[in-house]
Amino acid sequence: GQQVMQIPQYQHVQEGEDFTTYCNSSTTLSNIQWYKQRPGGHPVFLIQLVKSGEVKKQKRLTFQFGEAKKNSSLHITATQTTDVGTYFCAFTGTYKYIFGTGTRLKVLA
Amino acid sequence: GAVVSQHPSWVICKSGTSVKIECRSLDFQATTMFWYRQFPKQSLMLMATSNEGSKATYEQGVEKDKFLINHASLTLSTLTVTSAHPEDSSFYICSARDSVGLPLHFGNGTRLTVT
Repeated sequence: GQQVMQIPQYQHVQEGEDFTTYCNSSTTLSNIQWYKQRPGGHPVFLIQLVKSGEVKKQKRLTFQFGEAKKNSSLHITATQTTDVGTYFCAFTGTYKYIFGTGTRLKVLA
Repeated sequence: GAVVSQHPSWVICKSGTSVKIECRSLDFQATTMFWYRQFPKQSLMLMATSNEGSKATYEQGVEKDKFLINHASLTLSTLTVTSAHPEDSSFYICSARDSVGLPLHFGNGTRLTVT
């Protein structure tokens, strides 16, 4: 079935450094969503991208959907300790949501 | 915003017993609910999709008779783990969306430990 790989699997950054996670699909996606899961918590919706080449920003977070709609990225500028967690991309398959493998971010103070 | 309540948040049960997990949408009608399973430090694996009033659609490799899903109303879906075994120990999370197709809203999850 459809799979979405995320890289890197883990990332440790010093507070203040930037962070990027990439989401890659083998097939064209109709949309891409990003979720954040804090340690011990549940995923929380961040954003949805639908259009080819779309870029959206939320404060220090920048989300991008590739021109071919096969990849996406999430970039965090000047990370803070509150950014700690696992970031998942997800897409809507046939009536269901499929999650990427996730990138676990650790921010060192 | 949309709220999904999941209960219980954690449960410990003995091998061979059954456990029921409830998932409720509190302020919207959830036409579709999804059940995920998550092992430590891993991604969410979709177990099944349930639509109100119809049988759940299970993902490949998920035993229908072991993981019973009922979606009897637009606000409630239940997952029953029957004859639980230690390998069923995991974090189970439900999520829901309405007919408009809003992004998923998740319950807080249920941590199941089978001894």
